[in-house]
Amino acid sequence: EPEVTQTPSHQVTQMGQEVILRCVPISNHLYFYWYRQILGQKVEFLVSFYNNEISEKSEIFDDQFSVERPDGSNFTLKIRSTKLEDSAMYFCASSEEGGYGYTFGSGTRLTVV
Amino acid sequence: TQLLEQSPQFLSIQEGENLTVYCNSSSVFSSLQWYRQEPGEGPVLLVTVVTGGEVKKLKRLTFQFGDARKDSSLHITAAQPGDTGLYLCAGARNTGGFKTIFGAGTRLFVKA
Repeated sequence: EPEVTQTPSHQVTQMGQEVILRCVPISNHLYFYWYRQILGQKVEFLVSFYNNEISEKSEIFDDQFSVERPDGSNFTLKIRSTKLEDSAMYFCASSEEGGYGYTFGSGTRLTVV
Repeated sequence: TQLLEQSPQFLSIQEGENLTVYCNSSSVFSSLQWYRQEPGEGPVLLVTVVTGGEVKKLKRLTFQFGDARKDSSLHITAAQPGDTGLYLCAGARNTGGFKTIFGAGTRLFVKA
C-alpha cells in the first residue's frame, strides 16, 4: 500500500527558530496538502498545492509559513519564526484528484519551547 | 465560516449494537470524506462520496451523502470492539484549490 512519509516524527524547537517539516507524497499524486492538529482539537487545513503553486490557503497560513516542492518527490512546510502556539501535529496529505481520496502521513509532532 | 457539525461527540455501545453518526453543514461540498483516526496517527480514509444521495458500503459500514450535498451519515451494523476509535467527516470545496474542513469527530467505544 503506497504511503505518505513524513520526517521527522518529532521536533522540538526554540521559539523564534525556523523549522522545516518534510513530506514525501505518493508518487503518482498531483495534489498536496498540509494540515495541523493542536492537541485535543480539530484537524485544520493550512494549504493545498498543485502544479507547483499554492492553490488554496487558510487564514492560519500567514507570512510565517511557506511550502515548497524542491524536487520531484519532496514537499516541505517551513515555519520561519516559530511561536509557542505553533505547537501541534502537522500532517501532510496527497491525492490523485483534487478534493478526493486523501492519503495522510503519520504526522510530525512539533513542540515549540 | 464553514462548519461541519458531527453528532454525537461521544458514543459508548455494546458489541453487536447498531449505530449512526451524523455530519451536518449549511454549506454544499463537492465531496465528503470519512476518516478514522487513531491516537497520535494521521487520519485514514474510509470513503469519499461525491454525488448527492450516494450510498457506499464498506463491509458493516454504510455511508450516505445527503441529496443536497450538505450532510452525511455513517451507519455501523453489529459494532465490534475493533470499531472503537475516532471517526471524522471532512468536506471539500473546489474554490480554485481544494480546502477541506474537518468535523470535530465522534469518539466511538464498543464494549465487548
